[in-house]
Amino acid sequence: DAKTTQPNSMESNEEEPVHLPCNHSTISGTDYIHWYRQLPSQGPEYVIHGLTSNVNNRMASLAIAEDRKSSTLILHRATLRDAAVYYCILGIQGAQKLVFGQGTRLTINP
Amino acid sequence: EPEVTQTPSHQVTQMGQEVILRCVPISNHLYFYWYRQILGQKVEFLVSFYNNEISEKSEIFDDQFSVERPDGSNFTLKIRSTKLEDSAMYFCASSRSRDSNQPQHFGDGTRLSIL
Repeated sequence: DAKTTQPNSMESNEEEPVHLPCNHSTISGTDYIHWYRQLPSQGPEYVIHGLTSNVNNRMASLAIAEDRKSSTLILHRATLRDAAVYYCILGIQGAQKLVFGQGTRLTINP
Repeated sequence: EPEVTQTPSHQVTQMGQEVILRCVPISNHLYFYWYRQILGQKVEFLVSFYNNEISEKSEIFDDQFSVERPDGSNFTLKIRSTKLEDSAMYFCASSRSRDSNQPQHFGDGTRLSIL
């Protein structure tokens, strides 16, 4: 049901870039790729989304493969506050619910 | 930046009692959602609500659950006759529209503990 595949965990160092991968090989042409994150003891937080082109905002960048079967969330300079579970979720046209998988637990080392 | 607020942050209730969880969505949003997360498990969709009607619900959202928008600002989840397995974090979310390019904005949740 989740339709995306992510590594269970990743680790990086503070002030270094982080690349979080996501596979979504069954994506359809109208599905958006959304990323959310969940910091400890908080609700999910929207990070970024895109359809075909790469996207940038103040939090992160989203790189989408040309065939759209995979994407990468890029945190350009990780801070300790970026330690969270990151979820890659497809926004399916006509469906209202978000389907969360297990996500990637990102650990940032000082 | 506007945000979704939820009250209470923690609710402790005896099994069999009714609870009402409250949410104030972002003011110009039209779609409202409830999700839950049992400790150590995934976030699960419960229900979506638009124009004073349920627009989609999951298998979890059975007759024990109901939602309501009693006034122009609040959105509530009522759980009747609570069970031990209802213990979880309950998250409210809202979005401007149901378009697949619209993000959902979440509150920080209510921790429900059933004794």
